[in-house]
Amino acid sequence: DTEVTQTPKHLVMGMTNKKSLKCEQHMGHRAMYWYKQKAKKPPELMFVYSYEKLSINESVPSRFSPECPNSSLLNLHLHALQPEDSALYLCASSPGGQQQETQYFGPGTRLLVL
Amino acid sequence: GQQVMQIPQYQHVQEGEDFTTYCNSSTTLSNIQWYKQRPGGHPVFLIQLVKSGEVKKQKRLTFQFGEAKKNSSLHITATQTTDVGTYFCAGLSGGSYIPTFGRGTSLIVHP
Repeated sequence: DTEVTQTPKHLVMGMTNKKSLKCEQHMGHRAMYWYKQKAKKPPELMFVYSYEKLSINESVPSRFSPECPNSSLLNLHLHALQPEDSALYLCASSPGGQQQETQYFGPGTRLLVL
Repeated sequence: GQQVMQIPQYQHVQEGEDFTTYCNSSTTLSNIQWYKQRPGGHPVFLIQLVKSGEVKKQKRLTFQFGEAKKNSSLHITATQTTDVGTYFCAGLSGGSYIPTFGRGTSLIVHP
């Protein structure tokens, strides 16, 4: 299985809602990432988990809260988002957090905040 | 911090014409990766270059890594409509395993 899966594919939420994005991989990868991508822009790194520990938080607002329950799962909890948070949220994984590793991206969740 | 510049931002070609996108880094890279993102899709890994002056080919795609390991290019020969998408380079340096993405080049192929 060389796939990263993400649910849901699409999400529409109000600014007072709480929702969660889920990501799963069964490749035995030990590094997992959340990216945010706006239209016509490159992916922008948000968080990195390495061996289930948060290793990088790129100054992301606290309304985004990551969680790594185990080595295969990565969640992103959303609360009190703003319309400007509307974007494609991509999850990725790589084998072990070493250089020269390939990142495998999931299909993403398209989020619209109203 | 490290910056990776990619040009052009957009490129329109007629089907059958060639296409090239260029990446330049402000620092020496340990390796560079290339990804393709189809419209409405997600980035998909194409290739990784590690050695100075390295050239790799995948069918009609040719990837080059500069001698100084600060620039790279992707060249597509005789484009097809299936080549449409945004091509991103992503550079790694300084022992980090987190790539820095270029802004991408969107390729539009007119039949």
